Amino acid sequence: KAGVTQTPRYLIKTRGQQVTLSCSPISGHRSVSWYQQTPGQGLQFLFEYFSETQRNKGNFPGRFSGRQFSNSRSEMNVSTLELGDSALYLCASSLDPGIGNTIYFGEGSWLTVV
Amino acid sequence: SQQGEEDPQALSIQEGENATMNCSYKTSINNLQWYRQNSGRGLVHLILIRSNEREKHSGRLRVTLDTSKKSSSLLITASRAADTASYFCATGGAGTALIFGKGTTLSVSS
Repeated sequence: KAGVTQTPRYLIKTRGQQVTLSCSPISGHRSVSWYQQTPGQGLQFLFEYFSETQRNKGNFPGRFSGRQFSNSRSEMNVSTLELGDSALYLCASSLDPGIGNTIYFGEGSWLTVV
Repeated sequence: SQQGEEDPQALSIQEGENATMNCSYKTSINNLQWYRQNSGRGLVHLILIRSNEREKHSGRLRVTLDTSKKSSSLLITASRAADTASYFCATGGAGTALIFGKGTTLSVSS
């Protein structure tokens, strides 16, 4: 069974640009979550989608957005990039974390903003 | 905000030794999960332990949970160089979010 797949793995963007990251969850999983990992703040929850609906959102500015498609694939978008957005962005999938199912992570997308 | 806090922050041991990492959390939980992260890579799920469980095993891993003390421990027995990684505990936050601690960096030398 394929794991959580994230693309691209590495990317470099310029301040002010926007970026879209993609995530394909494990087959059958309807929940997709996104996390940001930085050396200073550690792992922080961005948002979670379940059956195409945003079910939970972390404490991030509106420049961070996401969506989920009918096949459970998800994208997250960051607009007007800032240097501080440089981070490892991790996607996670689960049958339903709300009822205690295991949450599985992908390899992440490394974003560098210059 | 950090829910889980791992202790120690860093741990260096020799191959064959056991490694113990601790995690403390602040609020009531339904379950607690442990993850491993190799440098620059994603998180690998190790074990999920539910609030009504006290101990769980998986291969060389043993996890305990003490809900009265709001703490958990991860024991890796007979450590190998390949166990070198950062280890995180994560608890359920608001709804479906995981809240992570800052992790324990384990270094196993041969």
